[in-house]
Amino acid sequence: NAGVMQNPRHLVRRRGQEARLRCSPMKGHSHVYWYRQLPEEGLKFMVYLQKENIIDESGMPKERFSAEFPKEGPSILRIQQVVRGDSAAYFCASSKGHTNTGELFFGEGSRLTVL
Amino acid sequence: GQNIDQPTEMTATEGAIVQINCTYQTSGFNGLFWYQQHAGEAPTFLSYNVLDGLEEKGRFSSFLSRSKGYSYLLLKELQMKDSASYLCAVRDPSGGSYIPTFGRGTSLIVHP
Repeated sequence: NAGVMQNPRHLVRRRGQEARLRCSPMKGHSHVYWYRQLPEEGLKFMVYLQKENIIDESGMPKERFSAEFPKEGPSILRIQQVVRGDSAAYFCASSKGHTNTGELFFGEGSRLTVL
Repeated sequence: GQNIDQPTEMTATEGAIVQINCTYQTSGFNGLFWYQQHAGEAPTFLSYNVLDGLEEKGRFSSFLSRSKGYSYLLLKELQMKDSASYLCAVRDPSGGSYIPTFGRGTSLIVHP
């Protein structure tokens, strides 16, 4: 039973380019969460999605960042016109339910480096 | 607002016991998680407490006191492979979305 799959594992972009990070949740999970982790810091919540719906995007910057979870295919976190400050590890997690049930299962993360 | 505090770093000796504390101030509470994260890897689930008391799972135990806003993770019979970051996370339902909020993590170094 495959876990949460993220790709690419490593991505290098120049300032001004676009970064697309993909996440396939665990089988049977319909809730996806994106977190960002900077070196020596904790996981910072960005966005929570269910299929075709953004439920909570309170942690996502208003500009340049967007996320989607289409009916078919993986969830995608898109960062437009990247800047050096976007360099971080981006983790995706999934869960079967949401409110008071179960833990989050994390992927291995996508490490973005902006030159 | 939400505030979750953990020590930044701890060191311990192989075979010993170590306790990692976590204090939190949140508007609401609907459970506390502990995760382990090795460098460059995914966080992996260790424990979940929603009621007061101690939950034991092998070498690892987790304690919760909701009235004190306090939890600890207890690791017994430490092994070198336990060197990792330990993340405390609190689920707060007050905003309506129950998103777990993570502390900065405690880096545990186990030496021989």
